[in-house]
Amino acid sequence: NAGVMQNPRHLVRRRGQEARLRCSPMKGHSHVYWYRQLPEEGLKFMVYLQKENIIDESGMPKERFSAEFPKEGPSILRIQQVVRGDSAAYFCASSPPSFTDTQYFGPGTRLTVL
Amino acid sequence: KNEVEQSPQNLTAQEGEFITINCSYSVGISALHWLQQHPGGGIVSLFMLSSGKKKHGRLIATINIQEKHSSLHITASHPRDSAVYICAAPFFGNEKLTFGTGTRLTIIP
Repeated sequence: NAGVMQNPRHLVRRRGQEARLRCSPMKGHSHVYWYRQLPEEGLKFMVYLQKENIIDESGMPKERFSAEFPKEGPSILRIQQVVRGDSAAYFCASSPPSFTDTQYFGPGTRLTVL
Repeated sequence: KNEVEQSPQNLTAQEGEFITINCSYSVGISALHWLQQHPGGGIVSLFMLSSGKKKHGRLIATINIQEKHSSLHITASHPRDSAVYICAAPFFGNEKLTFGTGTRLTIIP
């Protein structure tokens, strides 16, 4: 059973470009969480999704950021018109339908904005 | 306010020493997670516990729900244990994790 997969592992974008980060949850997991770790800072929640639904996006910046988790395929975190301040490590985690189960983390995508 | 606090922030120890990292939280939670982040940046889930104690190899995690406190212990520490250890909790009614600031552990051979 493969773990949570994220790609790409490293992504370099120039200011103004779009960044798309993908997260494939573990098999059987229908809940996905995105977290961001800015340089020298702790992890912060961004968004929580279930299949085709955004449950909690209270941690998402109001502009330029969006997330989806379609019925088929990976969850996508999309950042439009990236700025240098978006440079960070983005982690996703997945969990099965039971709320009390642990979240399994992916290896992260390190985004660098030039 | 939902908060998770860890101590110490940094810990350096000699190989073989017994290590304790502490985590306290402000309000009720359903479970507490201990995570390990290696120098390369990847995150590994070590434990999720809602009561009592769990053990995996040289790692032991305990939680006291009444005191809102958890500890992570490492026995016979080894340089490969050097990493940042993070506790995190979903507060009641909220699945998202709130993270502590992490404890940077360095084990010297």
